[in-house]
Amino acid sequence: DTEVTQTPKHLVMGMTNKKSLKCEQHMGHRAMYWYKQKAKKPPELMFVYSYEKLSINESVPSRFSPECPNSSLLNLHLHALQPEDSALYLCASSQQGQGAYSYGYTFGSGTRLTVV
Amino acid sequence: GDSVTQMEGPVTLSEEAFLTINCTYTATGYPSLFWYVQYPGEGLQLLLKATKADDKGSNKGFEATYRKETTSFHLEKGSVQVSDSAVYFCALITGGGNKLTFGTGTQLKVEL
Repeated sequence: DTEVTQTPKHLVMGMTNKKSLKCEQHMGHRAMYWYKQKAKKPPELMFVYSYEKLSINESVPSRFSPECPNSSLLNLHLHALQPEDSALYLCASSQQGQGAYSYGYTFGSGTRLTVV
Repeated sequence: GDSVTQMEGPVTLSEEAFLTINCTYTATGYPSLFWYVQYPGEGLQLLLKATKADDKGSNKGFEATYRKETTSFHLEKGSVQVSDSAVYFCALITGGGNKLTFGTGTQLKVEL
């Protein structure tokens, strides 16, 4: 299995809602990532998990809350979002450290989030 | 810090034309270099990679050569197809790091 699976593919939520994005991989990768991508822009790193522990938080607002329950799963919990948070949210995984250097990341197809 | 510079798009070509998308980089260490492709409405797919100087990455008719002396990793294809229409991102990782640094992306449109 060489895929990163993200659910749901599309999500519309109100500013008072709570929702979660899910990401799963079975490649044995021990680093997992959340990215945010606005239209016509490159992905922006939000969070990095390394061996199920949060290692990088790129000053993301607290209305985004990541969780890594085990080595295969990564969640992004959403609460009280703003319309400007509407974007494509991408999950990625990689081998740890030198493995990422040699092989890069594997990305999921993303969740397109619309906040109304 | 590390950075990647790509040529501005969109690039519009006729089918079977030759493609070059320029990419140059600045890195504190000795990076690995990648090209990712994003088709409309989809996530990013790794297109090709190179991990040391003079390596040539290739896939689906696309090629790029790691040029350390010019800090470049230009993407080329000899004959593009309409199905190649997508956004192409050049990216790098430096050794021991987990952070993938992207260029701004170049949109390619191929017309019949």
